[in-house]
Amino acid sequence: AQRVTQPEKLLSVFKGAPVELKCNYSYSGSPELFWYVQYSRQRLQLLLRHISRESIKGFTADLNKGETSFHLKKPFAQEEDSAMYYCALSGRSGNTPLVFGKGTRLSVIA
Amino acid sequence: EAQVTQNPRYLITVTGKKLTVTCSQNMNHEYMSWYRQDPGLGLRQIYYSMNVEVTDKGDVPEGYKVSRKEKRNFPLILESPSPNQTSLYFCASSLLASSNTGELFFGEGSRLTVL
Repeated sequence: AQRVTQPEKLLSVFKGAPVELKCNYSYSGSPELFWYVQYSRQRLQLLLRHISRESIKGFTADLNKGETSFHLKKPFAQEEDSAMYYCALSGRSGNTPLVFGKGTRLSVIA
Repeated sequence: EAQVTQNPRYLITVTGKKLTVTCSQNMNHEYMSWYRQDPGLGLRQIYYSMNVEVTDKGDVPEGYKVSRKEKRNFPLILESPSPNQTSLYFCASSLLASSNTGELFFGEGSRLTVL
């Protein structure tokens, strides 16, 4: 069974400080990992996916299969990064619905 | 504009009064899904649909029904709502179910209160 664990419900950091939102997963096959973000009063949207290996809004995430992790990182937090972040997992074999973690609320303090 | 549209956005109802939350997408997506979002519990999948006339239960299907008669629409039906179904509901869609890219497009959410 697929499972996504985000151990922190709330993470508060000061503006300019580094940010790391943790995500661990459990899946027997080849996973596809994603980060979704929900800003205040906005709909959920895709932030980034591991297969793209891209940096979006300064955020990066590396899939570590040995540690089964997909932590989201940003070197310098900005106030506009304050949002709810969800890690999500899909099986690469297809026909596998996306499974979300419980989310981490990031609060960036000025 | 490509989007997922939910209605109503806000609804207060009473226990036992049947209601339907509509969801429509204009992107010709195969896959559609309903989630509920509750504090401390994150997003939990209620039902999903791989294509027309194909629906399946998610993690929390009790008390809900869905139908997928047309590709663009995926209504969520609460036959007899109860207070524990008070929640924020999201509909989402993605292009292909068979090769799930994982990019879900979400509606704006429907906040439901059952008294």
